[in-house]
Amino acid sequence: DSGVTQTPKHLITATGQRVTLRCSPRSGDLSVYWYQQSLDQGLQFLIQYYNGEERAKGNILERFSAQQFPDLHSELNLSSLELGDSALYFCASSVGVWTDNSPLHFGNGTRLTVT
Amino acid sequence: QQPVQSPQAVILREGEDAVINCSSSKALYSVHWYRQKHGEAPIFLMILLKGGEQKGHDKISASFNEKKQQSSLYLTASQLSYSGTYFCGTENYNQAGTALIFGKGTTLSVSS
Repeated sequence: DSGVTQTPKHLITATGQRVTLRCSPRSGDLSVYWYQQSLDQGLQFLIQYYNGEERAKGNILERFSAQQFPDLHSELNLSSLELGDSALYFCASSVGVWTDNSPLHFGNGTRLTVT
Repeated sequence: QQPVQSPQAVILREGEDAVINCSSSKALYSVHWYRQKHGEAPIFLMILLKGGEQKGHDKISASFNEKKQQSSLYLTASQLSYSGTYFCGTENYNQAGTALIFGKGTTLSVSS
């Protein structure tokens, strides 16, 4: 058990809808990262938050947004969903803002299916 | 930029050895290695730092050649439990934080 909690485990929704994925980081970790994993794309970095502030951004679509709250949990909001958004979404956490000596601990992911 | 992993897939019998390579087109300060079993979360294996020594954990070890901008993961005397997809991750720093960018992965299948 990594100590990172993601909810829900599964989400099935229709195109055009909006969903919220939730992540609670490991106790003591201040950084939260979101990754999207689809079959042919591997682990794609979306965004990093550190202690409530956005720190690094990947190829995150404008339809997607995230935030980290004062209690350090994070939410990833996906709107105007398309079939191509179907994927496994992972949250990871780490102690520091830099990863050079700080491993990422991954949650079990949320599997999103858009129909 | 995404690091490049090779090979894409490896098939082994128990007890055999394997090497997985990870290379980058840009200068590296550290390389992460993770293993992911099907449908599960990636699990951290090790971090190698620039100027650091080769690391090892049980029969899995790795090296980091910063001049060549590449890292290699060595799995010796493989066990069934080593099966999974191995990802290397390299940092992409900006002024405020780090994006850890992963390669596409190397799938390792170990059979008895």
